[in-house]
Amino acid sequence: DAKTTQPPSMDCAEGRAANLPCNHSTISGNEYVYWYRQIHSQGPQYIIHGLKNNETNEMASLIITEDRKSSTLILPHATLRDTAVYYCIVRVAGFQKLVFGTGTRLLVSP
Amino acid sequence: GAVVSQHPSRVICKSGTSVKIECRSLDFQATTMFWYRQFPKKSLMLMATSNEGSKATYEQGVEKDKFLINHASLTLSTLTVTSAHPEDSSFYICSGLEGLAQETQYFGPGTRLLVL
Repeated sequence: DAKTTQPPSMDCAEGRAANLPCNHSTISGNEYVYWYRQIHSQGPQYIIHGLKNNETNEMASLIITEDRKSSTLILPHATLRDTAVYYCIVRVAGFQKLVFGTGTRLLVSP
Repeated sequence: GAVVSQHPSRVICKSGTSVKIECRSLDFQATTMFWYRQFPKKSLMLMATSNEGSKATYEQGVEKDKFLINHASLTLSTLTVTSAHPEDSSFYICSGLEGLAQETQYFGPGTRLLVL
C-alpha cells in the first residue's frame, strides 16, 4: 500500500469546519483513499472513501485533488465529539488489508 | 454503517490462562474478518486475516500457536490468546469486510485485555 503523510495534530474550534489534510503522492491508479477515526478507547469508525471524485456523506466530505496526490477530509461543523485520531489510508481495490499510520489527532475545543 | 460487536469488552486474567474474544458481524455476513492489536498511544497493528471456513493468515511476527483464530461462520470469528502473559496485555480489535465488493472494513468496539 502507498504511504500517507498526515500532520500529527490539529486544533479546531467547536462549530467551525475542520479540514484534515493527507498526502499520498505515490498513490496508484487503482488505490482508494479511506478515512477512519478512532475516539479514545474505542474501535475505529469508518468515515468515507473515494477513488477520484469528491465524496460527501452525513459525516464528512472528501476532497481529492485532480492528480490524486493529496486529499482533505472536511468536517463541516466540528463538535466536541469529533475529537479523535483521524487516519487516512490508501488501499488497492480488492486488496483487503488496511495499514494504519499514526494519523492526525484532532482536538475540538469549545 | 454495518455493526460489529465484540465480547467481552474487557477482561482481566492471570498469567498462564487462556482468554477467548468473540467478534460478531450483527447485520452483515463477513467472509473475511481481521484481528488487530493496539498498545497504548500506538497505532493499530494487523495480527491476522480470518476467512470463513479456512485457516487464518498471520502477519509476520505473530505467533499462530499463541493467537488461535477460528472463523466458523459468516458472522463469528474468535481469537483465543493462549497461555497469556503480561506482555499480551493490549487492546484487541476486530473488523469485518462488508459490501458487495467487500470494499469497507467495519470495526468492533475492542476488547481490553489485562494479564496479571
